[in-house]
Amino acid sequence: QITLKESGPTLVKPTQTLTLTCTFSGFSLSTSGVAVDWIRQPPGKALEWLALIYWDDDKRYNPSLKSRLTITKDTSKNQVVLTMTNMDPVDTATYYCAHVFCSGGRCYFDYWGQGTLVTVSS
Amino acid sequence: DIQMTQSPSSVSASVGDRVTITCRASQGINRWLAWYQQKPGKAPNLLIYDVSSLQSGVPSRFSGSGSGTSFTLTISSLQPEDFATYYCQQANSFPLTFGGGTKVEIK
Repeated sequence: QITLKESGPTLVKPTQTLTLTCTFSGFSLSTSGVAVDWIRQPPGKALEWLALIYWDDDKRYNPSLKSRLTITKDTSKNQVVLTMTNMDPVDTATYYCAHVFCSGGRCYFDYWGQGTLVTVSS
Repeated sequence: DIQMTQSPSSVSASVGDRVTITCRASQGINRWLAWYQQKPGKAPNLLIYDVSSLQSGVPSRFSGSGSGTSFTLTISSLQPEDFATYYCQQANSFPLTFGGGTKVEIK
């Protein structure tokens, strides 16, 4: 059974750095083909893909945010960490991590964490 | 980036109705498209991938079709638990992108 859970601060101040941790179970990020990603959703708005990390440590970022994002993994702890620098109120959103399911090399999100709401405010 | 445009943004329907949602890509994405259902306060749930492949456990009243730049999600007979927001997602190229969502509301 695959589960994921996000953790991190619920409130950050503008210009601060956000660090979110995704702790998962039911799969290993050292297994070939496995990946985990981060997606966010501002209140009442659509989903926005942020970043993805593969089992081999290959990484993909949304170009619109790439300069601010870093995704890393700790295979021994079954964790993926996302850091986002220079937070702004427009970054207020629910942040989700998800297990990536790849079909023919194309990737979708088949298991999601419950999400964590991060508010950016002074 | 590939832009995904959904229509309508909302639809009012009754239980038993057939509902169709459209998703258009700004460029061709072959068959690399998924549909997700999201209920209020919950994470999205993968319904369909590769345009028409039903994810395990998803009822057969959900179906997907299309290719290239135009795709549809059809709910053949709307059930009470189907009232939710639906998103399409392209998996053709990075950055992965989602549509703006279609809210299916009770008529």
